[in-house]
Amino acid sequence: ELKVEQNPLFLSMQEGKNYTIYCNYSTTSDRLYWYRQDPGKSLESLFVLLSNGAVKQEGRLMASLDTKARLSTLHITAAVHDLSATYFCAVEDNQFYFGTGTSLTVIP
Amino acid sequence: DTGVSQDPRHKITKRGQNVTFRCDPISEHNRLYWYRQTLGQGPEFLTYFQNEAQLEKSRLLSDRFSAERPKGSFSTLEIQRTEQGDSAMYLCASSLPAGINNEQFFGPGTRLTVL
Repeated sequence: ELKVEQNPLFLSMQEGKNYTIYCNYSTTSDRLYWYRQDPGKSLESLFVLLSNGAVKQEGRLMASLDTKARLSTLHITAAVHDLSATYFCAVEDNQFYFGTGTSLTVIP
Repeated sequence: DTGVSQDPRHKITKRGQNVTFRCDPISEHNRLYWYRQTLGQGPEFLTYFQNEAQLEKSRLLSDRFSAERPKGSFSTLEIQRTEQGDSAMYLCASSLPAGINNEQFFGPGTRLTVL
């Protein structure tokens, strides 16, 4: 069974700091997606990574994909409170497989 | 509003009752997905349609669950003889026809509580 593992599961960080969320998966897929979910809300698409070495950036978030290592990273630069949310990676392999999520809290 | 819509947003039912949820995808999207999400977990795939054809169904989906998309537009998800373990958020998503980028756009979800 395909597995998608994220770490850390919980992350508390101070405003202004940098951190990376990791997403490991067990298939050879080269399609990986990142989503954000606010409490009680649905999922919002952040990044679509479609090939080995793909890198996407939006504001303080940057996502990358290494298909050989079966690893994607979501890097947060100079965190701000508005980034507090749960972040999911999802691997596409016929269907979509989501990780368990990383709950991020940015502390002032 | 051109996003994915779901109805109802909340549903409270008693164990043993049947419930039906509706999803309206983005109009030009021919793929439609159903997921279930419980607290602290990522969305769990249930099934998906391409137009009116149901192409894949999770092995985790019991016989009490059925989904339809009769005209290739909106879809319904029915749960028969609900159990307390069915309590969850049911999410619908849609995407453009299969291609390189199958980015999914999610609806607001239907929160089901089974008493």
